[in-house]
Amino acid sequence: QVQLQQWGTGLLNPSETLSLTCAVYGGSFSPYYWFWIRQPPGKGLEWIGEIHHSGSTSYNSSLKSRVTMSLDTSKNHFSLRLTSVTAADTALYYCARGGLPGGFDYWGQGTLVTVSS
Amino acid sequence: QSALTQPPSASGSPGQSVAISCTGTSSDVGGYNYVSWYQHHPGKAPKLMIYEVSKRPSGVPDRFSGSKSGNTASLTVSGLQAEDEADYYCSSYAGSNTYVFGTGTKVTVL
Repeated sequence: QVQLQQWGTGLLNPSETLSLTCAVYGGSFSPYYWFWIRQPPGKGLEWIGEIHHSGSTSYNSSLKSRVTMSLDTSKNHFSLRLTSVTAADTALYYCARGGLPGGFDYWGQGTLVTVSS
Repeated sequence: QSALTQPPSASGSPGQSVAISCTGTSSDVGGYNYVSWYQHHPGKAPKLMIYEVSKRPSGVPDRFSGSKSGNTASLTVSGLQAEDEADYYCSSYAGSNTYVFGTGTKVTVL
């Protein structure tokens, strides 16, 4: 059974860098795409970006200048960095696997990130 | 990448059916058969209910069905049950390895 477990800093000051990691248990990194998705309080889901098991990435155009995704296949981890955060980046962040065509089939438990001075 | 448009709310009595629409453009919903639907109970991770417009992952009841016509996709929940009360989100591939989610619909079982 595939499980995604995520962790990272929950409270940030404005202008700091958000850093989250998602570990994949019970399954292989290959041949899947891996995603980060967020949900601001009281709002809907927002796709942040994806990273392929090969390392290629694609990001939401609205966040592209501040986002970096990476992976460590030796540890079965993938990570999200978001620089220069503001209050608008306060959200519940999820990692997910793209295991079915166009579908995110396994999700992490979510990490609440709050940006506040 | 503008969010796909969903009605804010939908409701039905137990045993009835409810349909949720998801309207995009020819650059997302209308251009690809990669529409998926997610059930989201507060405090839990979203759950994939439908992928590729109308396919159900293993374990999802056949009460959940999906379809698409032009730029609008739909999720129908038949035989509503109390546990179906949740937020539902659509998602679509939008080209160039990007995706977009819908605005979300809160389904209430009366």
